[in-house]
Amino acid sequence: SAVISQKPSRDICQRGTSLTIQCQVDSQVTMMFWYRQQPGQSLTLIATANQGSEATYESGFVIDKFPISRPNLTFSTLTVSNMSPEDSSIYLCSVAQGLNQPQHFGDGTRLSIL
Amino acid sequence: AQSVTQPDIHITVSEGASLELRCNYSYGATPYLFWYVQSPGQGLQLLLKYFSGDTLVQGIKGFEAEFKRSQSSFNLRKPSVHWSDAAEYFCAVRAAGGGNKLTFGTGTQLKVEL
Repeated sequence: SAVISQKPSRDICQRGTSLTIQCQVDSQVTMMFWYRQQPGQSLTLIATANQGSEATYESGFVIDKFPISRPNLTFSTLTVSNMSPEDSSIYLCSVAQGLNQPQHFGDGTRLSIL
Repeated sequence: AQSVTQPDIHITVSEGASLELRCNYSYGATPYLFWYVQSPGQGLQLLLKYFSGDTLVQGIKGFEAEFKRSQSSFNLRKPSVHWSDAAEYFCAVRAAGGGNKLTFGTGTQLKVEL
């Protein structure tokens, strides 16, 4: 399966600031996704990152708060904007080679907001 | 909407003992089913998947799972647990048609006693 690299692996940020998380894949993939895992919780899909067009957001997540880019088939970014302590979570990137292929995950970005 | 239930939040087993982690799903048709494992500080690793065919599927690290349509279950099993299996295990489901959107259960934290 593809090798997925996320940067940064962790960060501590001040409230009101923004952080951009990068997801790099070592091969072209059809689908890329962003998830949030709040402390002690399961994973929740934020959005599907669409190559060359706007991301598709799930209910409860908006572009102004979580802008996503996907300029090509191997790279995507997620920005967490105007952060508050409630945004402290693990953010995970996942990829799939197609609709009928399983998703594979990066190691995640552990984000703490002070 | 599809949903996944993992009724056991925590499970403790002795090393060498057998393991079964429960997963029940709610979905109108046969879904695609997955088990992932998350070790501390890591992302999610795919253990196994069920799309169709043989209802007993083999995965990595000696794990297997059995799809039982009549019980809407996809329980994960391992005949002999190793201390390195201590981790959190997530069951996930997605619709067989449509997008590649995963819905995750709340996870089961496995502790292995030596």
